[in-house]
Amino acid sequence: GAVVSQHPSWVICKSGTSVKIECRSLDFQATTMFWYRQFPKQSLMLMATSNEGSKATYEQGVEKDKFLINHASLTLSTLTVTSAHPEDSSFYICSARWRGTEAFFGQGTRLTVV
Amino acid sequence: GQNIDQPTEMTATEGAIVQINCTYQTSGFNGLFWYQQHAGEAPTFLSYNVLDGLEEKGRFSSFLSRSKGYSYLLLKELQMKDSASYLCAVTDSNYQLIWGAGTKLIIKP
Repeated sequence: GAVVSQHPSWVICKSGTSVKIECRSLDFQATTMFWYRQFPKQSLMLMATSNEGSKATYEQGVEKDKFLINHASLTLSTLTVTSAHPEDSSFYICSARWRGTEAFFGQGTRLTVV
Repeated sequence: GQNIDQPTEMTATEGAIVQINCTYQTSGFNGLFWYQQHAGEAPTFLSYNVLDGLEEKGRFSSFLSRSKGYSYLLLKELQMKDSASYLCAVTDSNYQLIWGAGTKLIIKP
């Protein structure tokens, strides 16, 4: 299957700082990228959907100014958690797809805010 | 509204067969996916159905009935490594992915 690379795999940051997570589709062009958050023992929660070259569409309850998403090219999307707090600690997963095909997931990023 | 239902948890015995059901009500339909997710890892793609019928891939098979809004994932010859969550997802008319909450499958020796 197609490869989606997410970096970093894990990160620990201090409360109040910002963290950037990258998601790259390595061998295909991703027309759409999705960002999810998953708390322990819970299902995926979609945060936002981004299409290349346009602003991301955020799900209800997700703060746009806190979770900045940039989808600058067909192979790269970034999620920046700004002014992170301990409650933002979670597993963040990106996925990418080309049109209506299946979504391929990155490895996920485990964020711990201390 | 859009909704996908699947059991929260199932238990099965190593070597046996288990069927995980998924029912959906969505605005249009452009395919149904099954993903496997081990604890602490990202989901991995298992199958895709867009036409009615059974798709077989080794020990795993996926079935779809569009008229009934129903799918199932069948796992044969269960192995301990099959212990995971299984996620059902449907693509609606806008090609948005709608996710089920996942079924946690526990395999016992």
